[in-house]
Amino acid sequence: IAGITQAPTSQILAAGRRMTLRCTQDMRHNAMYWYRQDLGLGLRLIHYSNTAGTTGKGEVPDGYSVSRANTDDFPLTLASAVPSQTSVYFCASSDSHGVTGELFFGEGSRLTVL
Amino acid sequence: RKEVEQDPGPFNVPEGATVAFNCTYSNSASQSFFWYRQDCRKEPKLLMSVYSSGNEDGRFTAQLNRASQYISLLIRDSKLSDSATYLCVVNIRNYGGSQGNLIFGKGTKLSVKP
Repeated sequence: IAGITQAPTSQILAAGRRMTLRCTQDMRHNAMYWYRQDLGLGLRLIHYSNTAGTTGKGEVPDGYSVSRANTDDFPLTLASAVPSQTSVYFCASSDSHGVTGELFFGEGSRLTVL
Repeated sequence: RKEVEQDPGPFNVPEGATVAFNCTYSNSASQSFFWYRQDCRKEPKLLMSVYSSGNEDGRFTAQLNRASQYISLLIRDSKLSDSATYLCVVNIRNYGGSQGNLIFGKGTKLSVKP
């Protein structure tokens, strides 16, 4: 593994179902992020984690939860999926200060909620 | 006013043309500035940072105007491979409690034609 890996790459899900998007990085970055990208709305931050054991809410956290049990993994869970959560989800990581501006993104998870 | 604004385009230019994108930001506490590139159905990747004195990387030149709160990206001698969406990104330290939070513009689409 090199960089950030997301799974699944694509998923169709029935409304009301629970879904976890997985994200793993091997760069030992402290900070990790989940974004969603929708046409016309750009990238919006859902949740973030500055270091293992801590998480925070971004711009659009409702309906999503995250955990950061260790440095490498940052799963995103939809407890009960709704159609408005249809989107492309990107996981990203960065060095602990973040001021370099370089986020390393995974390839994305395309989620469709019917 | 949105935090980071860009003209969505598309900018359709012939090969060899020079094209410039502007981006405005509303938060005067913004500390760092970047341009990301996103190919169709791919993840965003850092193109270049934007320094106060302006900076150049090959055919790409980035400028920052703090007084007017805008940044620009100039691409000279456009190539077909430059076709992508260019995202303006601003780092606002301690924004919303997130260390070094990055705010993404919605992107400007560039299409370079033969």
